[in-house]
Amino acid sequence: QQQVKQSPQSLIVQKGGISIINCAYENTAFDYFPWYQQFPGKGPALLIAIRPDVSEKKEGRFTISFNKSAKQFSLHIMDSQPGDSATYFCAASRGSTLGRLYFGRGTQLTVWP
Amino acid sequence: GAVVSQHPSWVICKSGTSVKIECRSLDFQATTMFWYRQFPKQSLMLMATSNEGSKATYEQGVEKDKFLINHASLTLSTLTVTSAHPEDSSFYICSARVPPGYEQFFGPGTRLTVL
Repeated sequence: QQQVKQSPQSLIVQKGGISIINCAYENTAFDYFPWYQQFPGKGPALLIAIRPDVSEKKEGRFTISFNKSAKQFSLHIMDSQPGDSATYFCAASRGSTLGRLYFGRGTQLTVWP
Repeated sequence: GAVVSQHPSWVICKSGTSVKIECRSLDFQATTMFWYRQFPKQSLMLMATSNEGSKATYEQGVEKDKFLINHASLTLSTLTVTSAHPEDSSFYICSARVPPGYEQFFGPGTRLTVL
């Protein structure tokens, strides 16, 4: 059973557009929700993360929106650039498990000029 | 963010040999490190959780005797793939949690190819 469900599997966005990736979870004990960016042949890089006590967090062009009641969270990439083309993973964890991350299946984002 | 390194970045070996992969936290002490395996165009699959000074906790279905994990210090964890076979070929990635928070940083990964 997959703990975190991510959609879409792939996303194509025009340069300057908004990229939106969605994730949903079932376990209400999760209390940390990070997003990772991965380029081919590289390890994932922590992009942005949120705790459930806030509904939104913004860092530069990246924003996480969090809906606790719906058990959903999403990543918005504003003014998408070709350099943002990568695979994005959402994840969730709970403190009592020493940080074990449960990953979504990933979204392959392509930003075309 | 915190820096995690892995060595080697890629390795090619013959079937039946053993391969050791090192994971180091360069600018912090990591009491907990994680080892993942990733197949092309797939998500990360957790293999085991490594705690400094104690035995690793393996995920269901991961062979403990095949994938030996040692976390001998607060900055180093090693994964040894014993008697490697072609089906062990994969991208292996480690991560480390930065105490006392929740942030977890990943190494650059090691590409293992078993001939």
